[in-house]
Amino acid sequence: KNEVEQSPQNLTAQEGEFITINCSYSVGISALHWLQQHPGGDIVSLFMLSSGKKKHGRLIATINIQEKHSSLHITASHPRDSAVYICAVGTSGSRLTFGEGTQLTVNP
Amino acid sequence: DTEVTQTPKHLVMGMTNKKSLKCEQHMGHRAMYWYKQKAKKPPELMFVYSYEKLSINESVPSRFSPECPNSSLLNLHLHALQPEDSALYLCASSPLPASGPSGELFFGEGSRLTVL
Repeated sequence: KNEVEQSPQNLTAQEGEFITINCSYSVGISALHWLQQHPGGDIVSLFMLSSGKKKHGRLIATINIQEKHSSLHITASHPRDSAVYICAVGTSGSRLTFGEGTQLTVNP
Repeated sequence: DTEVTQTPKHLVMGMTNKKSLKCEQHMGHRAMYWYKQKAKKPPELMFVYSYEKLSINESVPSRFSPECPNSSLLNLHLHALQPEDSALYLCASSPLPASGPSGELFFGEGSRLTVL
């Protein structure tokens, strides 16, 4: 079992839909990152969380430390949101453990 | 300046060549990382420099040689690579090591390496 599990692996939505991507982890962490990777490879850090909830524009990220679970929500999805979304957790030292990613496709 | 700049963006090299990948940031970040990413897979950590000292080497073959000349620069020297080393090489930086609550990551656009 991977230390970081994401679901779903693939997600197709229609423009305007509300999207949720989930991340569960099995290790103690000090921080959790949500990253967005576009087809060319460019990775953007969306959020870094150690507790609670953060919001940036149409994106919301939550984390429940007791349940070892985080969610990334996208409201009013748009085709430009199409990308791979990666959950990564900070464990010991400077290591991050990555999930396998969720491929999101938003159709117009 | 909130960018991590990687050069070159694309590199094609033969197995006997020596080349280098470069990464630069001017955000005052004290942790810098090299990751390797194969297609449709998450990034794999290769090296971490913390305060210009190599703090993590994830058992990377010696044909990859990292160097951190100063706090803004990170190089990855490549020699005698194999075709299976073809991948996207990503550099990242964070104010402090990314496992901690102050470790927000900033990634470069990557250098896509093809070894013939």
